[in-house]
Amino acid sequence: DVKVTQSSRYLVKRTGEKVFLECVQDMDHENMFWYRQDPGLGLRLIYFSYDVKMKEKGDIPEGYSVSREKKERFSLILESASTNQTSMYLCASSPGGFVNTEAFFGQGTRLTVV
Amino acid sequence: EDKVVQSPLSLVVHEGDTVTLNCSYEVTNFRSLLWYKQEKKAPTFLFMLTSSGIEKKSGRLSSILDKKELFSILNITATQTGDSAVYLCAVEYFGYGGSQGNLIFGKGTKLSVKP
Repeated sequence: DVKVTQSSRYLVKRTGEKVFLECVQDMDHENMFWYRQDPGLGLRLIYFSYDVKMKEKGDIPEGYSVSREKKERFSLILESASTNQTSMYLCASSPGGFVNTEAFFGQGTRLTVV
Repeated sequence: EDKVVQSPLSLVVHEGDTVTLNCSYEVTNFRSLLWYKQEKKAPTFLFMLTSSGIEKKSGRLSSILDKKELFSILNITATQTGDSAVYLCAVEYFGYGGSQGNLIFGKGTKLSVKP
């Protein structure tokens, strides 16, 4: 089974802290994604990466950065956490290239910024 | 602007009812449409649809895509309380240069099945 693992299920951080959310997948997928989910807004794409060291901004990249130094790991960084970044963060991965397959999601990280 | 619209946003039914969830889309460079079920944790995959008119079935769930009219429906027959969840529709499209895929999600339909 494909496994996408997010490092934390729940995090509480203070305003202004630098926050790292880690995501690891074990299926050699080329594409990896970070989303946030908020009530009434659905899933919104923050960043995605289609190869090591390659990244593209999604719909709401402001206040976030990402790092993909290795194929299996995609990190989301909140440089200076703010209360409006309190949300559920979901990581996903999918094979790249021209193959139509589904994306696989991690279990989510519930981040609270106080 | 690319978008995916689901309707209704929420739905309350009783066990045994049949429900139909809708997903319409406007996406450039369409690749596939996916349905997910989300309960308390991360979304779980239900179906991927790439061709018009071909129904996919899994137990009491089925789905079909209409690429001409740009929509898909998800049917659930003989609903059970365990079907209560948010159902997400996502459309995959070709990314920059045509070689990568990305996903746009709808806001979801919250289904509540009462005993």
